[in-house]
Amino acid sequence: NAGVTQTPKFRVLKTGQSMTLLCAQDMNHEYMYWYRQDPGMGLRLIHYSVGEGTTAKGEVPDGYNVSRLKKQNFLLGLESAAPSQTSVYFCASNFNQVSGANVLTFGAGSRLTVL
Amino acid sequence: AQKITQTQPGMFVQEKEAVTLDCTYDTSDQSYGLFWYKQPSSGEMIFLIYQGSYDEQNATEGRYSLNFQKARKSANLVISASQLGDSAMYFCAMREGWGGGFKTIFGAGTRLFVKA
Repeated sequence: NAGVTQTPKFRVLKTGQSMTLLCAQDMNHEYMYWYRQDPGMGLRLIHYSVGEGTTAKGEVPDGYNVSRLKKQNFLLGLESAAPSQTSVYFCASNFNQVSGANVLTFGAGSRLTVL
Repeated sequence: AQKITQTQPGMFVQEKEAVTLDCTYDTSDQSYGLFWYKQPSSGEMIFLIYQGSYDEQNATEGRYSLNFQKARKSANLVISASQLGDSAMYFCAMREGWGGGFKTIFGAGTRLFVKA
């Protein structure tokens, strides 16, 4: 059981380049999220998805796009990378249950550096 | 606007002593969930403890307990008998909305240092 898998784990980009981070989960979770982590700012929600084919903006969506064509995958795209997008990106997922904690399961993170 | 506030960027505690990490939150929802996650230096996010807004008793998980004061909108984490392995970053988080993890937001975190 792999849980949540993020690829790639590390990437260096030049300003203006584009890239896609892939998140895959094998737990049949309805909800998926992309966060970025920066020193002193915790984890900030970029975009999230409540189901296949649906996405929504989080706290810091500018400069990113997402897609969820399949339930198990959630893609985060940077169309034109900027140095301000240098960060560690975490994907997470959880169930949508009426009661209970619905704890987030996180991927291992993807470290992105934009030069 | 930040809805989860962790006012302690760093905390020191002596091994075997207890420590409290502060967390306050702001929400207009009646139904919400509060979480604490641990992030060791290796980087992974580890779930520690959960408190539902309707839970009348404070949550406990082993050496972790959550001091939930609803009227004050605080959800402090108490770690008893600190161990060297507790040195890590700790994040308070809140899920708004009933049931499904509609949106979970995090505080800025507190870095805990456990001294031998």
